[in-house]
Amino acid sequence: AQTVTQSQPEMSVQEAETVTLSCTYDTSESDYYLFWYKQPPSRQMILVIRQEAYKQQNATENRFSVNFQKAAKSFSLKISDSQLGDAAMYFCAYEYSGGSNYKLTFGKGTLLTVNP
Amino acid sequence: EPEVTQTPSHQVTQMGQEVILRCVPISNHLYFYWYRQILGQKVEFLVSFYNNEISEKSEIFDDQFSVERPDGSNFTLKIRSTKLEDSAMYFCATGLAAISYEQYFGPGTRLTVT
Repeated sequence: AQTVTQSQPEMSVQEAETVTLSCTYDTSESDYYLFWYKQPPSRQMILVIRQEAYKQQNATENRFSVNFQKAAKSFSLKISDSQLGDAAMYFCAYEYSGGSNYKLTFGKGTLLTVNP
Repeated sequence: EPEVTQTPSHQVTQMGQEVILRCVPISNHLYFYWYRQILGQKVEFLVSFYNNEISEKSEIFDDQFSVERPDGSNFTLKIRSTKLEDSAMYFCATGLAAISYEQYFGPGTRLTVT
């Protein structure tokens, strides 16, 4: 079974600074997707960024980028120029792409605080 | 921008009662999911639904749970006899897997069982 581990229950960053959230996963599959979801206090899950395992290039979305290390099964999220609105719970998630459905397996989350 | 909606936003029920949580998926999506998040814990997969049948379910999804698309638009999760431990946030998610593997989440329904 696939597992996702987020070893940092909480992180904090100063506004405008950069922070990196860690995620490792365990799978025997070679084709899969990795995601970072943001859950603000409103509780709605919002997709931040997605990485396809077959792509060597790291995904980027504006201030958000990932460091995907397939051999190490590591998938960290870097937030640059942190803003107060980035404060939220961040979940790393795994999705196997070779089956007939695409359930997400989540980590326990990292609570990010942004200090003004 | 199309979005997934869920009703109610908050449901309070007594132990042993039946509840139905409703989700309206994005109109052209084909894959439907329910996830659960107990307060302070991670989001857990409950069930996936495609082509009018369950495609996968977790061990959490026991005989007390059922899902259906009664009218081809709404996607519902029914809990037949609620227990205290069913108190959680329930998220519906939908996806158009043929094109994108992204799942779009609804805002969730907070279920409180007393």
